[in-house]
Amino acid sequence: GNSVTQMEGPVTLSEEAFLTINCTYTATGYPSLFWYVQYPGEGLQLLLKATKADDKGSNKGFEATYRKETTSFHLEKGSVQVSDSAVYFCALSPQGGKLIFGQGTELSVKP
Amino acid sequence: NAGVTQTPKFQVLKTGQSMTLQCAQDMNHEYMSWYRQDPGMGLRLIHYSVGAGITDQGEVPNGYNVSRSTTEDFPLRLLSAAPSQTSVYFCASRTSLGTGELFFGEGSRLTVL
Repeated sequence: GNSVTQMEGPVTLSEEAFLTINCTYTATGYPSLFWYVQYPGEGLQLLLKATKADDKGSNKGFEATYRKETTSFHLEKGSVQVSDSAVYFCALSPQGGKLIFGQGTELSVKP
Repeated sequence: NAGVTQTPKFQVLKTGQSMTLQCAQDMNHEYMSWYRQDPGMGLRLIHYSVGAGITDQGEVPNGYNVSRSTTEDFPLRLLSAAPSQTSVYFCASRTSLGTGELFFGEGSRLTVL
């Protein structure tokens, strides 16, 4: 079946540190992959997406590359800010179907 | 543009009580869905709808009912609340086409005592 596994949190970093949040998936066919972000007290919002192998999604300094050979979609940012503190969800959509989420990774960035 | 609107934002129920969580969207989206968010478990799909008059079960449908009489509205009903239904509930919508990007409401926090 389809599933998503994320690294466990919480992740605590100092401002300007490098961020990686690992995400691997299991899916049949060629799913679309997403990162959603949830700021405190808010709903989820799309951060970036990739729809085919080797695509790179990017937004607000965050990047993730769709790696079919390793079934991964790791989220990276070169220099995090306090305002990036949030919960990050990796998700997949098998060919336009229902969205399947990972368990979420909480990021806390300290000044 | 309001997007996806959920009410209420907070609710406390006693075991056995019933209630309805409201969801409305103004983007003319065909697809609407309800998720629950629990610590360490991510978001789990409860029910979804691909258009007015059509609903289907998700991963965790037991204890919940839905209906879709209009494109805009997708209420979630708890007929007899249980403590296991204490959670944060999110409504989300998207167009029927495309790559699955969802637009979420701000959530409804439900506590069942």
